[in-house]
Amino acid sequence: EDKVVQSPLSLVVHEGDTVTLNCSYEVTNFRSLLWYKQEKKAPTFLFMLTSSGIEKKSGRLSSILDKKELFSILNITATQTGDSAVYLCATTSGGGADGLTFGKGTHLIIQP
Amino acid sequence: DAGVIQSPRHEVTEMGQEVTLRCKPISGHDYLFWYRQTMMRGLELLIYFNNNVPIDDSGMPEDRFSAKMPNASFSTLKIQPSEPRDSAVYFCASSLAAGRAGGPLREQYFGPGTRLTVT
Repeated sequence: EDKVVQSPLSLVVHEGDTVTLNCSYEVTNFRSLLWYKQEKKAPTFLFMLTSSGIEKKSGRLSSILDKKELFSILNITATQTGDSAVYLCATTSGGGADGLTFGKGTHLIIQP
Repeated sequence: DAGVIQSPRHEVTEMGQEVTLRCKPISGHDYLFWYRQTMMRGLELLIYFNNNVPIDDSGMPEDRFSAKMPNASFSTLKIQPSEPRDSAVYFCASSLAAGRAGGPLREQYFGPGTRLTVT
């Protein structure tokens, strides 16, 4: 059974800090890893990673995948209170299993 | 684009009643997914369709759950009879194929969800 584990489960930091969120996975026929941000509504897409070592970047957020060590990190620099959310990591696998397998998420709280 | 549309947004029903959740995917998307989110189990895939055909329903918890996609712009998830443990937020998501055979799908776009409470 595919497994996605995120750490930490929760994190409280001050505005302006840099945070690193972790995601490790055990997936048969791994295809891609995705990061989503969930506030009090639907998850919104951040990044999709398929290749090792290539950083994806969007503003203050960046993410990278290591397919050898089976993990990904999501970095947020110069955090703002609007970054407070649950960050979800998910994977897809091959063989017709196109649904996402989600981790439990990291609950990030940014204090002013 | 209006995004993925789900209805109702909130549903409160009594145990034993039939519940039908509805989803309209983003126009042109050929994959549709149903997920359930609870505090205990997080987000879990229930079933997904490709070109209106169910591909994988292994996540459907039991026979009380059924899903249909009669056309490319509409899907339903039905629970009959409903039980209190079915209380959760149910999300519908849609996606496009990546365009290359065997490649990963493009990202999935989620609807706003239906919060179901079964008393």
